[in-house]
Amino acid sequence: DIQMTQSPSSLSASVGDRVTITCRASQGISNYLAWFQQKPGKAPKSLIYATSSLQSGVPSKFSGSGSGTDFTLTISSLQPEDFATYYCQQYNTYPYTFGQGTKLEIK
Amino acid sequence: EVQLVESGGGLVKPGGSLRLSCAASGFTFSSYTMNWVRQAPGKGLEWVSSISSSSNFIYYADSVKGRFTISRDNAKNSLYLQMNSLRAGDTAMYYCARDPEVVVTATIDYWGQGTLVTVSS
Repeated sequence: DIQMTQSPSSLSASVGDRVTITCRASQGISNYLAWFQQKPGKAPKSLIYATSSLQSGVPSKFSGSGSGTDFTLTISSLQPEDFATYYCQQYNTYPYTFGQGTKLEIK
Repeated sequence: EVQLVESGGGLVKPGGSLRLSCAASGFTFSSYTMNWVRQAPGKGLEWVSSISSSSNFIYYADSVKGRFTISRDNAKNSLYLQMNSLRAGDTAMYYCARDPEVVVTATIDYWGQGTLVTVSS
């Protein structure tokens, strides 16, 4: 199975900051990488697919990049509603696998 | 509006069975691959199973293979997960999620709100 490792596991930032979360795959996954946001007690929300394509309705403050094994999610100008847990997922090969999550907290 | 509504969760004893359902509306259900993803309390997301639009392709996580069966009824716009031989480790919120199959590079875009399964004696 492909292992997905996110870093950091948690991150403190302030409103207005720009943050980057990294996701590394244990083997190449081309660009089949997605990002999800989850707030406490809520279902996940899809943000990005194919490494850098925004899901419908997702603001352009979210951006993704990378290829092969190393990927990043960048969130610019953090707002209070952006503080949540973020997960990456590879869908190049079954079984699909998620990263362990990055909890983004308000500093 | 896309809606995915899960049901069927509850408290079950170890070794017991449960059948989850997901009612879909607001889109052409028969054109989408569907997935079950679970999340144990306080833990991360775990993909459980996928079924293609016409049920030709079905995949399972090793952790549920041989115990869980995914199925769908396109006429009823419904997705199912039959869970047998349940273990404490299966305790989780179970989410139904759709995947736009026609877009090769796409993956899960909508999620349901989840149904909670608790396996305990």
